[in-house]
Amino acid sequence: NAGVTQTPKFRVLKTGQSMTLLCAQDMNHEYMYWYRQDPGMGLRLIHYSVGEGTTAKGEVPDGYNVSRLKKQNFLLGLESAAPSQTSVYFCASSYSRGGQPQHFGDGTRLSIL
Amino acid sequence: AQSVTQLGSHVSVSEGALVLLRCNYSSSVPPYLFWYVQYPNQGLQLLLKYTTGATLVKGINGFEAEFKKSETSFHLTKPSAHMSDAAEYFCAVKDNDMRFGAGTRLTVKP
Repeated sequence: NAGVTQTPKFRVLKTGQSMTLLCAQDMNHEYMYWYRQDPGMGLRLIHYSVGEGTTAKGEVPDGYNVSRLKKQNFLLGLESAAPSQTSVYFCASSYSRGGQPQHFGDGTRLSIL
Repeated sequence: AQSVTQLGSHVSVSEGALVLLRCNYSSSVPPYLFWYVQYPNQGLQLLLKYTTGATLVKGINGFEAEFKKSETSFHLTKPSAHMSDAAEYFCAVKDNDMRFGAGTRLTVKP
């Protein structure tokens, strides 16, 4: 059972480049989340989705866009990468938002030079 | 808005010793409280959670935590540390949104 799968696992970008991080879950979960993890700061919510075709801003949404065209996929985009976006990005999913993120991917390590 | 403070970014214990990881929270409403564990190069895994009812919550791998409203605390304990417990631990609080603490890295010495 795959759970939550993130691709790619590692990426190095130059400032100004764009890229998309893909999150896929096979548990038929309604809710999906994108977090970033920075040293000494825990996880901070970037964007989340409560179902196919819906997205909403989290705590730190600036510089990111998301899309949820299919229930199983949640994409995180960086249109013009900045060094401040160097981080580890985690996707998570849950059956309902009333609970908590239940399943996390293994993370994407993104470095922006 | 709710917040979480984890006291000590790094805790080191000997194998077999008591593990105590501290978490204090602030919330304007009765919160839901969580502890997650993160092993290297992996995502977070839920250890235990408090929602309502019994204030002593038991989780996986022998961990437990006690909700103390008067102290606004939710400390994580394990009676006897094992080498496999070495990881980073995150406390989280949820009322409307979920907020994570900065994390505590647990090292277990042989």
